Amino acid sequence: SYVLTQPPSVSVAPGKTARITCGGNNIGSKSVHWYQQKPGQAPVLVIYYDSDRPSGIPERFSGSNSGNTATLTISRVEAGDEADYYCQVWDSSSDQLFGGGTKLTVL
Amino acid sequence: EVQLVESGGGLVQPGRSLRLSCAASGFTFDDYAMHWVRQAPGKGLEWVSGISWNSGSIGYADSVKGRFTISRDNAKNSLYLQMNSLRAEDTALYYCAKDTAHGGNSESCFDYWGQGTLVTVSS
Repeated sequence: SYVLTQPPSVSVAPGKTARITCGGNNIGSKSVHWYQQKPGQAPVLVIYYDSDRPSGIPERFSGSNSGNTATLTISRVEAGDEADYYCQVWDSSSDQLFGGGTKLTVL
Repeated sequence: EVQLVESGGGLVQPGRSLRLSCAASGFTFDDYAMHWVRQAPGKGLEWVSGISWNSGSIGYADSVKGRFTISRDNAKNSLYLQMNSLRAEDTALYYCAKDTAHGGNSESCFDYWGQGTLVTVSS
């Protein structure tokens, strides 16, 4: 079955750039989606199809996907960006699949 | 405004059954696949099951296959999850999520989520 690997935690100072990775075998051939989940809230889609942003999501959020790594990049990080972030793909052997999640801490 | 409202959660003993419901509004329900995603306390997201717009394609995570059954009633704009032979490891917040596509078993994403219903399996 397919496996998605995310770092458990990422820390960044306000105003800096955060990069959260999602690793998988040849993930560049798949479409990757990213969700933000704040404590006590449901997940929110922040990036879909590797790099598209839903309406209402700030331009500070961007995504890329190549080779064995997809990356969610958050520029000019704000305190309000502190949350858990999950990547998601579909795989023919595993159906829908989420990464283990990354806790973003704003220092 | 899209709304997904889950219900049916609660405390249940191991081995017993529970049926979750998700009431959808604010979009054309029978145009989209739907999913159940769960989150154990303090853990990450786990996809549980998905169903296509017309119930013609259904999928389950290996962890629930043979015990859970997903269904939908397009006339009632509702999604269901019948959970049998419940185990302690099924304890989680269960979210209903809307797909962006018809099929469900494709590279689409989940653009709307409910607030979840909590299932606790314990004796």
